[in-house]
Amino acid sequence: DTEVTQTPKHLVMGMTNKKSLKCEQHMGHRAMYWYKQKAKKPPELMFVYSYEKLSINESVPSRFSPECPNSSLLNLHLHALQPEDSALYLCASSQVPGGLYEQYFGPGTRLTVT
Amino acid sequence: GIQVEQSPPDLILQEGANSTLRCNFSDSVNNLQWFHQNPWGQLINLFYIPSGTKQNGRLSATTVATERYSLLYISSSQTTDSGVYFCAVGPYNTDKLIFGTGTRLQVFP
Repeated sequence: DTEVTQTPKHLVMGMTNKKSLKCEQHMGHRAMYWYKQKAKKPPELMFVYSYEKLSINESVPSRFSPECPNSSLLNLHLHALQPEDSALYLCASSQVPGGLYEQYFGPGTRLTVT
Repeated sequence: GIQVEQSPPDLILQEGANSTLRCNFSDSVNNLQWFHQNPWGQLINLFYIPSGTKQNGRLSATTVATERYSLLYISSSQTTDSGVYFCAVGPYNTDKLIFGTGTRLQVFP
């Protein structure tokens, strides 16, 4: 089973709201990732967690706050977002960190900021 | 940073036709994956192929790492093959996966 799940599927939030995106995998993978995909563009890496520790932050604004409470869960906390943050947010996982293993993606959360 | 270019950007085919998609990258990599993104946004893993050749049904892929390119072959295309095809590469000693520009494929009956 190579399933990564994400909730919610869709989210509409105002610029003053606080919300969270959730990602879960039960494959025993120890690397987890957040990507952002704008319309008609390729996904872009935001964060990487290796063994539950943040290892890469691609200069993402602080209004995006990642959290990895355990090896199966990855959250992305959202606060004071801008309309240009509207995008598809994708979570992924791979067996171990280091870039030598396949990444598997969840179905994504489609976020609209009004 | 590493650049990943895919060609062609758009491809329109009739059902049953064959096609070849290309991915060029600008530096050595230790990870290369091909994905199909369906209209709902789901990225479906097609191949993990940092080097060599693999086949899976109507699809096959070849990566020539020394020449920094990979090819995805689709034979006897079906309407369900429509969507965007991405290659993504991982530079050495990093967990990063950098996506190419994508090829948008439309298959008509």
